[in-house]
Amino acid sequence: NAGVTQTPKFRVLKTGQSMTLLCAQDMNHEYMYWYRQDPGMGLRLIHYSVGEGTTAKGEVPDGYNVSRLKKQNFLLGLESAAPSQTSVYFCASSYLRQPQHFGDGTRLSIL
Amino acid sequence: EDQVTQSPEALRLQEGESSSLNCSYTVSGLRGLFWYRQDPGKGPEFLFTLYSAGEEKEKERLKATLTKKESFLHITAPKPEDSATYLCAVSDSNSGYALNFGKGTSLLVTP
Repeated sequence: NAGVTQTPKFRVLKTGQSMTLLCAQDMNHEYMYWYRQDPGMGLRLIHYSVGEGTTAKGEVPDGYNVSRLKKQNFLLGLESAAPSQTSVYFCASSYLRQPQHFGDGTRLSIL
Repeated sequence: EDQVTQSPEALRLQEGESSSLNCSYTVSGLRGLFWYRQDPGKGPEFLFTLYSAGEEKEKERLKATLTKKESFLHITAPKPEDSATYLCAVSDSNSGYALNFGKGTSLLVTP
């Protein structure tokens, strides 16, 4: 039972490049979330989904897009990466609003 | 204005030296207060959920308590393996599906 799996674990991009971060969960959770964690700041919610085919904006959604085509997967896209998006990205899932369970993160550097 | 404030930012203890971490919050309609542990390079690991003032939860050397304004994470006779960053997060009636995280307390337990 893997829980929440994020790929890739590390990535370096150049400004203006695009990429997609993948999150997969095997707990049959309805809710999924994308957060970013920056030094000196708490985790901040980017986007979330309350079910297959639905997505919504969180606290810091600008510059990101998401898709939830399958219940177990939640994708986070950066269309044109900027240095300000250098961060550690965490995916989480939960059964309704029960405690959120996190993956081990994707460390993204944008040069 | 921070809704969730954790103190101290960092704490160094000797093995066996008990102490407490604080999480103060200013939200209306608290739906839940969550404690997580985060090890370097890993995602947050869920520890406890507290829902109402007076509630307490225990797990091994950790005990979490909740009042109307703050929560404490008491660590009794800590061991070096308890070294980690401890995160507090709240869910309230205004935050929707988001968890509002504090910046964390970095705990180091030395032998």
